[in-house]
Order: sequence, then C-alpha cells, then structure tokens
Amino acid sequence: EDQVTQSPEALRLQEGESSSLNCSYTVSGLRGLFWYRQDPGKGPEFLFTLYSAGEEKEKERLKATLTKKESFLHITAPKPEDSATYLCAVQAKRGGSNYKLTFGKGTLLTVNP
Amino acid sequence: GAVVSQHPSRVICKSGTSVKIECRSLDFQATTMFWYRQFPKQSLMLMATSNEGSKATYEQGVEKDKFLINHASLTLSTLTVTSAHPEDSSFYICSARDATSGTETQYFGPGTRLLVL
Repeated sequence: EDQVTQSPEALRLQEGESSSLNCSYTVSGLRGLFWYRQDPGKGPEFLFTLYSAGEEKEKERLKATLTKKESFLHITAPKPEDSATYLCAVQAKRGGSNYKLTFGKGTLLTVNP
Repeated sequence: GAVVSQHPSRVICKSGTSVKIECRSLDFQATTMFWYRQFPKQSLMLMATSNEGSKATYEQGVEKDKFLINHASLTLSTLTVTSAHPEDSSFYICSARDATSGTETQYFGPGTRLLVL
C-alpha cells in the first residue's frame, strides 16, 4: 500500500525565514510525486510534479527536490501570502489506466509578518 | 490553462434528499476525472475514478449506490449523493487529468461544501 508522510504537521515562520517541508513516501514504483498548495475552504492548487530522483523544480520562492525516498519543498524568504497547507501526493506505476493519487496529511505553514 | 470548476460551491440539504455536484474542465478535455472527500483538518481521500463513457471505479469502502458518478462527456463529470445523511456532510473536491498534456498532473476544482441537516 502506498504511504505518504509529511513533516512537520505545522510550521510557523517569520517573514524572510527560509525552511523546508518534508514528504517521505513508500510506493511500489513511482510514476510521479506532486506538490499542491491548499488555502482554507478551497481546492488544492498545483505547484510541481517530479518524476525521478535528482529532479528539481522551482517557482518563485519555492523549490521542490526528489530522492528515492523523500521530497523536500524548500521555501526561501517566505512572505505572509505563502501561508497555506502544502500537500504532497504520490502516484504509483500500475497497469492499465490507474492514476490514483495518495496524499499525505499536509503541512500547515504560517508565515508571520 | 488547466482550469476546473465545480458547482455548486456550497449546498445545504435535508436528510434523505439527493444532491448533485458538477465538475467541469473548462479549457481541456479530461478523459479521467476523480472525486475526493476531505474532512476538517484531514487530507484528501479518493472516492472514485470517473472515466468518460464507462463506469466509475470506486475505492474500497465507498458505496457506489450512494455516490453515483456520471462522466457523460470529456468536460463534465457529476457526483450525486443519494439519500444524504448528516454523516455525508463534507468537502467534496473533483480533479481532472489532461490526457493530452503529456503529464500525469491532476488539476483540482474549488470544492463543494455539503451540509446535510
């Protein structure tokens, strides 16, 4: 069974204080690892897809990296508007057309001004 | 690009009634759509996978006769909660996969908040 564990559950930062969120995963053959941002009462907003170990992607203050066991979401000089829950999900390689995503519980990030 | 809409955004209904939620991909064709449920401070749990023109695939523990899914076109999937009860109150979110994009990314709708009285 695919498993995704995110840590920490909650993280409080001061504006400008860089940090990283962790996503550890167990999957029988990784097809893709996904990072989403979710604001309260809204659907997840797509951030990144990573497909293979060593891959990195960046978008503004966010950078996602991937190893064979975990992924990190690095936040550089965060701003209050970066406050949200960050979700990690994995998709396993399976036969046929199974595109199921397994989500972690998320990290609630709060950035104080 | 890759915009997914849901309607309604919020619905309140009486116990025993049925509620239909629509999920539309606005600027791409989605051969596969997904329905998730999210309880407060919990992560998303996949309920079912909806494939255009065929029957939906339900996750273990999800009652297919209670949660009816129809995916009649490449841009529309509907979830009908039949004979809703208070325990069905939740945040329902759909996602869609753009099969022509060459990626596995799923794009999510804004969600529908269901409250059953």
